[in-house]
Order: sequence, then C-alpha cells, then structure tokens
Amino acid sequence: AQKITQTQPGMFVQEKEAVTLDCTYDTSDPSYGLFWYKQPSSGEMIFLIYQGSYDQQNATEGRYSLNFQKARKSANLVISASQLGDSAMYFCAMSSIQGAQKLVFGQGTRLTINP
Amino acid sequence: DAGVTQSPTHLIKTRGQQVTLRCSPISGHKSVSWYQQVLGQGPQFIFQYYEKEERGRGNFPDRFSARQFPNYSSELNVNALLLGDSALYLCASSSWDGYNEQFFGPGTRLTVL
Repeated sequence: AQKITQTQPGMFVQEKEAVTLDCTYDTSDPSYGLFWYKQPSSGEMIFLIYQGSYDQQNATEGRYSLNFQKARKSANLVISASQLGDSAMYFCAMSSIQGAQKLVFGQGTRLTINP
Repeated sequence: DAGVTQSPTHLIKTRGQQVTLRCSPISGHKSVSWYQQVLGQGPQFIFQYYEKEERGRGNFPDRFSARQFPNYSSELNVNALLLGDSALYLCASSSWDGYNEQFFGPGTRLTVL
C-alpha cells in the first residue's frame, strides 16, 4: 500500500520568499508518479506539478519545482518568490502501477503568505 | 475550453436517503475518478472509470456506486446515507489511463443531517 506523509500542518512565509513544503512517501512499487495539488478555499484541486519515479531530472513548472530524492523517498515542493495568491492548502499525492489514476493523498499543508 | 463540471454544488440530505452526484469531464477526456474529502483531510479515492469500465475501487462500502455514460460523464450514487458521508465529493478527469495529471472539478458539498 502507498502512503504519503506531510509533516507540516501549517506554514507561514513572507511574500517574495521561497518556501519548501515537505512530502515523504512509502511504496513497494517500482514505478510510481508523484503529484502536488493546490486547494484554495473554494475547494477546487489545482494540479501544480508531476514527477515520475524514473525521471532523471527534477520537474519544474514556472515558480514550482519538485525536489525529488528517490533514495530518501521524498518529493518536496519548492515555490520560489511566493505571492499572496499562493495562500492555500497544498497536497502531495502519489499513484502507482497498480492504479495509475488512483491518487493517494497526504493530509496537506496550509500555507499562508504574509504581506 | 470548459473544465470539469459537477452538479449540484451543494446538497443537504437526511440520514437514510439516497443521493446522486454528477460529473462532466473535460472534452476529450475518457477517464473519470471520484474522491471523497472529509473536512480537514486529504481526498480519498472512491472509483475510477475509463471508457465506461470500472478500473479501480477504493475502500468504500457497497452503498457507494458509480457509472460512466457513453459521453464519458459520470454519476456517483450513495445509498442509505450516514452522517459520516458528509464531505466534499470531487470528480477528476484525465485524458488517458496512465500516469498523468488529473483535473478536478469544483466539487459537490454534501451535508447529511
């Protein structure tokens, strides 16, 4: 079974600073995918970034990058130059070869950006 | 292009009733998944349908059922509602069945009294 652990219930960051949201995972599957989603107060889950387990390079999407350390089973999200609109819940999720569309989510981290 | 749409937005039911939630995927997407998100937790996987076939089922009781129609829209049905079924129900679509991003709808917030 897969498991995602997000150990930071809440984080407070000053605007324009970089922030790292932690995510560790556990799986015995050789092939898997790792995802980060943002959930504003409106409730809709917004896809941010994806990393495949066999990808050699860390994924990047604009201000988002994924710090993938396979041996440590971690997939931290880095947001550069944070903005007020980044305030939201952030969820790390994974899927595996036994269910590529079955996302297993962590408990989430609430990020608050202060002006 | 329209995103994933869900209806209704909000729903209030009483214990023992039945409810049907609806989802329309992004045009061209053939995979639809359903998730339940209880307040303060991450979403939990309920079902996935691809090309009208059930491809995955989460750890939910048989009171939960779903189906996918020829136009790839989907319905989630929950019978004999319990107070614990109160949650945000999210629908997600993707273009194929493998590893790729899923796009979520705004959700249906179900309250069971």
